[in-house]
Amino acid sequence: QVQLVESGGGLVKPGGSLRLSCVASGFSFSDYYMTWIRQAPGKGLEWVSVISNSGKYIYYADSVKGRFTTSRDIAKNSLFLQMNSLRVEDTAVYYCARGDWVFQSWGQGTLVVVSS
Amino acid sequence: AIQLTQSPSSLSASVGDRVTITCRASQGISSALAWYQQKPGKAPKLLIYDASSLESGVPSRFSGSGSGTDFTLTISSLQPEDFATYFCQQFNSYPRSFGQGTRLDVK
Repeated sequence: QVQLVESGGGLVKPGGSLRLSCVASGFSFSDYYMTWIRQAPGKGLEWVSVISNSGKYIYYADSVKGRFTTSRDIAKNSLFLQMNSLRVEDTAVYYCARGDWVFQSWGQGTLVVVSS
Repeated sequence: AIQLTQSPSSLSASVGDRVTITCRASQGISSALAWYQQKPGKAPKLLIYDASSLESGVPSRFSGSGSGTDFTLTISSLQPEDFATYFCQQFNSYPRSFGQGTRLDVK
């Protein structure tokens, strides 16, 4: 059974940093692209970043480019999102999802609150 | 970037009703469109991919159609568990994008 478990969210001040993690199980992690998607409170879904199965290709939304870095550790079946220079508008639930085209499996999400 | 516009933004309906939600892309995306259902406090659930293919395990009352720029999600006979928010998503190009959502509630 596919399982994705995010962690690392919390309260951070504007300009601060956080590193989110997503641990995958139940499938061959090295075979899949992985994606970060976020959802601000009461708002819609926003695609954030995708990383290829090998980690060679990474794409970002313009809203996070230059501030966020996506990586993966295949040995640990883990996906990461390093978030720097955080802004109030980055406040959201962050989901990791399996895939690149469509997202069949999602984690439960981790809440990031950026506030002074 | 491709923008997706859903209509309506909200919709009130009754159990047994036939419901249609529309998603319009700002440029042609062939059939590279998916639909998701999201309930409060939960992650989205994939319903439809490639515009009209039903995800495994999704009830057949859900159907999708369209190609190019105009797409629809139809629920043929609403069930109590279908009251939720629905999102379309394009995977024709990066950045991937979602529609703003359609909230479906009880009339």
